[in-house]
Amino acid sequence: ETGVTQTPRHLVMGMTNKKSLKCEQHLGHNAMYWYKQSAKKPLELMFVYNFKEQTENNSVPSRFSPECPNSSHLFLHLHTLQPEDSALYLCASSQDTRTDTQYFGPGTRLTVL
Amino acid sequence: EDKVVQSPLSLVVHEGDTVTLNCSYEVTNFRSLLWYKQEKKAPTFLFMLTSSGIEKKSGRLSSILDKKELFSILNITATQTGDSAVYLCAVEAGNTGKLIFGQGTTLQVKP
Repeated sequence: ETGVTQTPRHLVMGMTNKKSLKCEQHLGHNAMYWYKQSAKKPLELMFVYNFKEQTENNSVPSRFSPECPNSSHLFLHLHTLQPEDSALYLCASSQDTRTDTQYFGPGTRLTVL
Repeated sequence: EDKVVQSPLSLVVHEGDTVTLNCSYEVTNFRSLLWYKQEKKAPTFLFMLTSSGIEKKSGRLSSILDKKELFSILNITATQTGDSAVYLCAVEAGNTGKLIFGQGTTLQVKP
């Protein structure tokens, strides 16, 4: 297993569902990130974790709840989402937040009905 | 407000052409500027630039940063159809790992 992996790759959910996105990195990094990429919009940073501690929450609505149990795993728990939350959710990791190069996972394509 | 602006937003060229993609930025506490290539889904890292005037080169791709005028360019020479992708510019501000991305430039290289 190499790099940054994300599961599931595709997810369709209703507005009342609860689901979780999972990210795992096999690079020995200490910082992990969640990004949202909506159609025709710049990539948006959502959360940053460094050594399991959240260091950045970019004004993300509370219906998105991140969890970082260890430096290799990052989750994004979803509940009562809205159709406008449909997007590609990308996870990334870097050595730590002082290192610039982030390595991205393949993303989860989320559709909220 | 920190922002990164890329131009053009889209570009169509023919194989063998040379293209120049632009990225301008206004951020506080600039640390570095990064270029990514995004095909289908995950962006892949191309270059990281921290110093003005020093060209970074990888094969047919090269990039340079101008910290006085607050912009960077990405050049691709002798383009190939495999260069078709969205090219993202991102700027890191501060020490929190926060990357601010531009809208991306969609490049299409026709045979």
